[in-house]
Amino acid sequence: NAGVTQTPKFRVLKTGQSMTLLCAQDMNHEYMYWYRQDPGMGLRLIHYSVGEGTTAKGEVPDGYNVSRLKKQNFLLGLESAAPSQTSVYFCASTDWDSGVEKLFFGSGTQLSVL
Amino acid sequence: AQKVTQAQTEISVVEKEDVTLDCVYETRDTTYYLFWYKQPPSGELVFLIRRNSFDEQNEISGRYSWNFQKSTSSFNFTITASQVVDSAVYFCARAMDSSYKLIFGSGTRLLVRP
Repeated sequence: NAGVTQTPKFRVLKTGQSMTLLCAQDMNHEYMYWYRQDPGMGLRLIHYSVGEGTTAKGEVPDGYNVSRLKKQNFLLGLESAAPSQTSVYFCASTDWDSGVEKLFFGSGTQLSVL
Repeated sequence: AQKVTQAQTEISVVEKEDVTLDCVYETRDTTYYLFWYKQPPSGELVFLIRRNSFDEQNEISGRYSWNFQKSTSSFNFTITASQVVDSAVYFCARAMDSSYKLIFGSGTRLLVRP
């Protein structure tokens, strides 16, 4: 099983450019999450989804948008990238209602905004 | 905000020493979940344990043990006889029953020296 796959793994953007990060999971999980990780700040929740067609804001949603058109995919968009969005982005999924005990994480996307 | 606090930013020990990583959480929920994740230098997040708020039994898994105390809102993690391979950043996290969002602490970097 592939688990949680994030693409791309690395990306460099110029300020003002836009891009979309893709997260795909093959475990039929209902819940999906986007986190960013910055030095000394741990992982902070950007947006999350509790099912297909639904999204909600996390701790740090400003500057990002998300969509969950298909259950297996959760997209994170940056409409106008800023240097403050330089970070490592992690996607995660789980299915609490089925008794799954943990979040399954992707391997991360290193994004640099110049 | 209902925070998760890992006051120890970095800990350095010599191999075979025991080490305890502290985690203190805030919550107004009666039902919640606590987690520990390990992030080795390779960057992926490795699930270690989940504990439910209604189960205060301590847990031991090999060299790892966890002490959950609701009275002090703490969920501490002890590594016995540490090894170099234990070097990593360790994150404590809390999830609420209603939304299952994981809120992470800022992490503790553990360095185990030979």
